[in-house]
Amino acid sequence: DTGVSQDPRHKITKRGQNVTFRCDPISEHNRLYWYRQTLGQGPEFLTYFQNEAQLEKSRLLSDRFSAERPKGSFSTLEIQRTEQGDSAMYLCASSSRQAFYEQYFGPGTRLTVT
Amino acid sequence: DQQVKQNSPSLSVQEGRISILNCDYTNSMFDYFLWYKKYPAEGPTFLISISSIKDKNEDGRFTVFLNKSAKHLSLHIVPSQPGDSAVYFCAASAIGGSEKLVFGKGTKLTVNP
Repeated sequence: DTGVSQDPRHKITKRGQNVTFRCDPISEHNRLYWYRQTLGQGPEFLTYFQNEAQLEKSRLLSDRFSAERPKGSFSTLEIQRTEQGDSAMYLCASSSRQAFYEQYFGPGTRLTVT
Repeated sequence: DQQVKQNSPSLSVQEGRISILNCDYTNSMFDYFLWYKKYPAEGPTFLISISSIKDKNEDGRFTVFLNKSAKHLSLHIVPSQPGDSAVYFCAASAIGGSEKLVFGKGTKLTVNP
């Protein structure tokens, strides 16, 4: 399977704990995006990378959130001091240089903060 | 401010009939539009897209129509099949601007056998 993969698929954590999610994009894609989806809403943009450079961050991405893509391949999204409002599906997508607008999504990581 | 709107939360059609899902947008800078299908507990799956220089794009049973003057697009599925039952999201992007996709809230399609 050469699609976008995400790990873990599910994460349950207690409020105040730190969590980290991983995303592996389609191998030839140089762009990688993070979105968040809550119940009844469409995905909302968080941030994106072109190769290893983080080019845009949404105002939704508070200072408790940090994302990295150190070698331009996989990416991690860390949430520090989790809050119940962070409970959501975190989606990763990737796209190619030639057709960056066609973003292909992974299965998501479902975060539940108790 | 909801820049992409899907005003019908749900739609139910009979197998074999046409499904028409609608989407409206407000940002005139949007010039590329996509439809995604999402099953529960999975990520969105890319279905079909259209550039603002076109008014129609077809791919098998799926056709997307774009009316720029009305800032409206629609997805037609003909014939509808039970496996098409899912949530459909409309998304838009502004080429030359931010690369982010802006999504609507989705329409849940149910195709009844």
